[in-house]
Amino acid sequence: GQQLNQSPQSMFIQEGEDVSMNCTSSSIFNTWLWYKQDPGEGPVLLIALYKAGELTSNGRLTAQFGITRKDSFLNISASIPSDVGIYFCAGPKTSYDKVIFGPGTSLSVIP
Amino acid sequence: EAQVTQNPRYLITVTGKKLTVTCSQNMNHEYMSWYRQDPGLGLRQIYYSMNVEVTDKGDVPEGYKVSRKEKRNFPLILESPSPNQTSLYFCASSSASSGGAVSNEQFFGPGTRLTVL
Repeated sequence: GQQLNQSPQSMFIQEGEDVSMNCTSSSIFNTWLWYKQDPGEGPVLLIALYKAGELTSNGRLTAQFGITRKDSFLNISASIPSDVGIYFCAGPKTSYDKVIFGPGTSLSVIP
Repeated sequence: EAQVTQNPRYLITVTGKKLTVTCSQNMNHEYMSWYRQDPGLGLRQIYYSMNVEVTDKGDVPEGYKVSRKEKRNFPLILESPSPNQTSLYFCASSSASSGGAVSNEQFFGPGTRLTVL
């Protein structure tokens, strides 16, 4: 069954606000991935994290690999309308495991 | 342009009528995979393929078949579709090492929205 949980499930924010979302697992992961799915399109990889405690940025996005290796966080600063979409966390437990995806966090940005 | 293409993008069909959704990638990737996306459940893997003639079941393979006769193509076959297979389907590909380690970055197609009446 599904092993990744994401919260919140959905969020509605005002343009310019910062956003935080997280992903948790009951199992240890050695890689955490964050994908974004724009409306009507397939997911695209945003950030990959490979080490516990790692903090990685991609423009206004910052993601962190939790030190317990059972969670990860994604922050978006100063949100803009094009940030709208579904954000998925994902990861393989090991390099040879398949990637599993969380249920997603749906983000809506009100101009 | 590097891409994964899927056809058709939209399909409405009736229960029991066999259908095939095609997937093709031009990146010479070894690994290809099919997912279905349902509200609240995220992306669930149906089948995957590590290379030509090598396929394996994912988490939700029941009611689906795949084949990998060529490296670039990975069609998804529904022999007898049922309404519970109404979903949004994504094909994805990524590179893989000779040792079997799959790259974390998967490239997704645009999706196929299937409705089975």
